Amino acid sequence: QVQLKESGPGLVQPSQTLSLTCTVSGFSLTSNSVHWVRQPPGKGLEWVGAIWSGGSTDYNSALKSRLSISRDTSKSQVFLKMNSLQTEDTAIYFCTGQLLDYFDYWGQGVMVTVSS
Amino acid sequence: DIVLTQSPALAVSLGQRATISCKTNQNVDYYGNSYMHWYQQKPGQQPKLLIYLASNLASGIPARFSGRGSGTDFTLTIDPVEADDTATYYCQQSRNLPNTFGAGTKLELK
Repeated sequence: QVQLKESGPGLVQPSQTLSLTCTVSGFSLTSNSVHWVRQPPGKGLEWVGAIWSGGSTDYNSALKSRLSISRDTSKSQVFLKMNSLQTEDTAIYFCTGQLLDYFDYWGQGVMVTVSS
Repeated sequence: DIVLTQSPALAVSLGQRATISCKTNQNVDYYGNSYMHWYQQKPGQQPKLLIYLASNLASGIPARFSGRGSGTDFTLTIDPVEADDTATYYCQQSRNLPNTFGAGTKLELK
């Protein structure tokens, strides 16, 4: 069955770079897209960005200057890198798989805290 | 960006009907499909897809859940409400990038 799992550091210092990995199984990265969605504590969901089946990317315009999403299809992994982190980037980061036009599958999420 | 507006909270008695609304500031229809989807999120869990393309029940979701609407007005209905349905419900549009979500409606039991 389809599984997505996020991994990465739970604590990042302000101004540093966040690196997260989404490892997928039962799901082809060359046939489907993977998106990142984040959720600040106690708040709603915010779309961060996506990597499409062909390898192109799209980003939330508010984050675009700090964000990079890439993948390694041989390892079935998608990577998120966000630099110049601030406290407002503290959130649960989810990766989610999209087969058609909606988010079919979700990882369990990884909590990222930006603090010194 | 397309803005989605949901009421913040709703309280319903067990066995009754819950209707959650989502209004958009732009039409999310395109070539006969409405690009509106609904998710359920319980505390400490990831969101779960309930309804896709406005009215299609996702796999494994009970028929108590239904969705309807088109254009800029959409509703998610739960009938009858069960205790396990207490959660926050989010609508999401995929008509245009960026994908955007409503702020969520918290469903509570009376």
